[in-house]
Amino acid sequence: DIQMTQSPASLSASLEEIVTITCKASQGIDDYLSWYQQKPGKSPQLLIYDATSLADGVPSRFSGSRSGTQYSLKISRPQVDDSGIYYCLQSYSTPYTFGAGTKLELK
Amino acid sequence: QVQLKETGPGLVQPTQTLSITCTVSGFSLTSYYMQWVRQTPGKGLEWMGFIRSGGSTEYNSEFKSRLSISRDTSKNQVFLKMNSLKTEDTGVYYCARTTVALFDYWGQGVMVTVSS
Repeated sequence: DIQMTQSPASLSASLEEIVTITCKASQGIDDYLSWYQQKPGKSPQLLIYDATSLADGVPSRFSGSRSGTQYSLKISRPQVDDSGIYYCLQSYSTPYTFGAGTKLELK
Repeated sequence: QVQLKETGPGLVQPTQTLSITCTVSGFSLTSYYMQWVRQTPGKGLEWMGFIRSGGSTEYNSEFKSRLSISRDTSKNQVFLKMNSLKTEDTGVYYCARTTVALFDYWGQGVMVTVSS
């Protein structure tokens, strides 16, 4: 199975910062990597797919990138509404696997 | 518009069988894969399996032979059945639509508690 190691587990950021969350895949996943945001009591919502493509309706302050087998989600000048838990998901091969999540708090 | 909604029992006794229905609208089950994902306190988000647009299935071996996914295209419904439930199966169960392996629409989820 492909392991997705996500970091950090939590972070607190100001509205002026650039927030970066990373997921390292245990092997190559050919950019079959997507990012999701989950708010309390809600289902995950797609932000980024194919590692770098922005999903419909997602603000341009969200972006994705890759370096080797490490994938990153960047939020530039986050808004208060961006608080929540962020997950990566590899859908390159089954069993599909999620990262453990990053809880983002904005101060 | 695209909508997915899970319905299920809420409370299931250990060793019993869980049955959840995902009712969809706004698209055809014969055009998309449908996934089941659960979220438990112990393991977080876990992919359980999917049913392809053509009707074949694939499962996470983690669930071995306990899991079955099926559908009724005439009713726009996808079904999850999992037997031999344990307390560790307590969590929220989601159905999701996938477009080329990205999970673009999710249901609201249904909370399942396994307890006697």
